[in-house]
Amino acid sequence: DMKVTQMPRYLIKRMGENVLLECGQDMSHETMYWYRQDPGLGLQLIYISYDVDSNSEGDIPKGYRVSRKKREHFSLILDSAKTNQTSVYFCASGTGAETLYFGSGTRLTVL
Amino acid sequence: AQSVTQPDARVTVSEGASLQLRCKYSSSGTPYLFWYVQYPRQGLQLLLKYYSGDPVVQGVNGFEAEFSKSNSSFHLRKASVHWSDSAVYFCVLSGGQVVGQLTFGRGTRLQVYA
Repeated sequence: DMKVTQMPRYLIKRMGENVLLECGQDMSHETMYWYRQDPGLGLQLIYISYDVDSNSEGDIPKGYRVSRKKREHFSLILDSAKTNQTSVYFCASGTGAETLYFGSGTRLTVL
Repeated sequence: AQSVTQPDARVTVSEGASLQLRCKYSSSGTPYLFWYVQYPRQGLQLLLKYYSGDPVVQGVNGFEAEFSKSNSSFHLRKASVHWSDSAVYFCVLSGGQVVGQLTFGRGTRLQVYA
């Protein structure tokens, strides 16, 4: 069905709490991405994954880590969340740098 | 370094009018360029893409874009906009510091009024 699913859609956490954002895709794409979107800044790449256990840092990896144990699933983890990590997070998948398919986003608020 | 500039943060047009959204890019190699659209509370969706060949590429919903190597531009156009075209449009360049990365412009918010 060519779908990227993100869970949850909305999340509120307190500073210092751990955060897990989950992403799944049903297209068997090798490459998956985590971006964050802040007003007026476009999308900034946090991490890219080329396949299972093959991950690379993007432009803003500090404060984040990722896990990819299955091709169809890619998680973003914030250990001890900070208020400046309040943002909208998008997961995407694709075949290399071809067309990307995006999820609907997770709006994270860190209080 | 790769970069994409969308000089207009916000564009407002009336329904039925023509539209051009501007995009300038900087790339050290052959540019692969895209336009994505983001409707409210949704993820991004591909409108069109350019790899090579005819500099005018057609996309979905009547959108087209023209690539110009001499001007380092990839402007998006539509002959007649509809209120449902109201969204944020991103110009995107393939490439960046990381293999497989896409470099996004900051986006242009289009508001179409009746």
